Amino acid sequence: DIQMTQSPSSVSASVGDRVTITCRASQDISSWLAWYQQTPGKAPKLLIYAASRLQSGVPSRFSGSGSGTDFTLTISSLQPEDFATYYCQQANSFPLTFGQGTKVEIK
Amino acid sequence: EVQLLESGGGLVQPGGSLRLSCAASGFTFTNYAMSWVRQAPGKGLEWVSGISDSGGSTYYADSVKGRFTISRDTSKNTLFVQMNSLRAEDTAVYYCAKGGRDYGSGPTYYYYGIDVWGQGTTVTVSS
Repeated sequence: DIQMTQSPSSVSASVGDRVTITCRASQDISSWLAWYQQTPGKAPKLLIYAASRLQSGVPSRFSGSGSGTDFTLTISSLQPEDFATYYCQQANSFPLTFGQGTKVEIK
Repeated sequence: EVQLLESGGGLVQPGGSLRLSCAASGFTFTNYAMSWVRQAPGKGLEWVSGISDSGGSTYYADSVKGRFTISRDTSKNTLFVQMNSLRAEDTAVYYCAKGGRDYGSGPTYYYYGIDVWGQGTTVTVSS
C-alpha cells in the first residue's frame, strides 16, 4: 500500500496568512493526488485533483503543486471559513489512501 | 443537483451484520465508479471499498476484505455495502463517494478525485 504522510499535523494561523501543507507519498504516484477540506460534522469537500487542478467552485486562493512523491497545498490568504482539517489522497493505485490530516487552527 | 444519500447505519453487536445503502441522484449513475470511505471517531479518512461503473470489478481494503461486500443496483441508482462479522474497530461514519472521472479502469476513475460525498451514516459496533 502507498503511505501518505502529511506535515504538519496542525498549524495555527491568522486570517490573511499564507498556509502551506505538504504531503509525501511512499512511492511515485505521478500527479494522481487530491486534496480535501473537512469541517467538523461534515463530509469532506474536494479542493484540488491531479495535484494542481482546482475543482469547480473552489476559491482561487487554494492551489496545489508537486509530482512524483512530494506535493503541496497552499492557501494564499487564509479566510475564516478555511479553518478546517485538510487531507491528501493518492489515486495511483488501490487501496486509495489518505494522509493523516492537517488541522488549520485559529491563532 | 448531484446527491448521495446514505442509510442503514445503526448499533450492532460484535459479530453482527449491517447493510448500508446509498441512493444516488442528479448524475448518470452507470457512468461512474463508486466507493465507501469511513471515518472512525476523532480519526482520519479510510477508503474501505470501491466498485467499477459496470459493477464488474470490486476492490477492498485489507481491513475489510472477506467481511464486506460492495454492490450496486443500476436500476435503482443505489450503492450498497454488506458488512458481516463486524468488529469494534469498524465503528465509524461511513460515506458514500463518487469517483470524479466518467471513464477509466481501476483507480483511474479517481484521477479527478472523489468529487461527491454523501452526508454519512454512523455505524456503531458495541455490545
